[in-house]
Amino acid sequence: AQSVTQLGSHVSVSEGALVLLRCNYSSSVPPYLFWYVQYPNQGLQLLLKYTSAATLVKGINGFEAEFKKSETSFHLTKPSAHMSDAAEYFCAVSDGGATNKLIFGTGTLLAVQP
Amino acid sequence: SQTIHQWPATLVQPVGSPLSLECTVEGTSNPNLYWYRQAAGRGLQLLFYSVGIGQISSEVPQNLSASRPQDRQFILSSKKLLLSDSGFYLCAWRRGGLETQYFGPGTRLLVL
Repeated sequence: AQSVTQLGSHVSVSEGALVLLRCNYSSSVPPYLFWYVQYPNQGLQLLLKYTSAATLVKGINGFEAEFKKSETSFHLTKPSAHMSDAAEYFCAVSDGGATNKLIFGTGTLLAVQP
Repeated sequence: SQTIHQWPATLVQPVGSPLSLECTVEGTSNPNLYWYRQAAGRGLQLLFYSVGIGQISSEVPQNLSASRPQDRQFILSSKKLLLSDSGFYLCAWRRGGLETQYFGPGTRLLVL
């Protein structure tokens, strides 16, 4: 069975500071990994995904994530936070099989202080 | 390009009333379709998925049901709503054989 753990339900950073959102996964098969962002009262928007190609994945809005198999991690980073980055971020894993069910973490709410 | 619609955007319903939420996808054919629920303070839980017309798989036993009467239409229903059915319902689609799911704008349901 697959699972995702997001450490830190709330993260607060200052504008211009590094953003680091942690995600660890468990999977018995090579995983597909995703980061989604959700702004208040909106659906989920795909930030980036790992699908067994390059281990460092670049996404939209300056975010990137690195797949580390040895650490079973897929942490999301951004060098410099912007006020518009304030949102909830979800890490998800799938096995890429026929049904491709996504298993989500519980989310991390990012606050950006001026 | 593909777009996914959900309606209504917001719904307030009394306990015991019926429910029908609709999701439609444009710009693609034979998508895989998914219903998720996001309860307050919790992550997203997969409720149903469908790989084709009339084919529905349920992930958790509950008060809800799903149907897929047309290729790009996915409906979430209930005969009698419970307070615990309150939440944010998200529909998603993906192209068969590809790994990425794309989400709709969601429906916020409040059961009173």
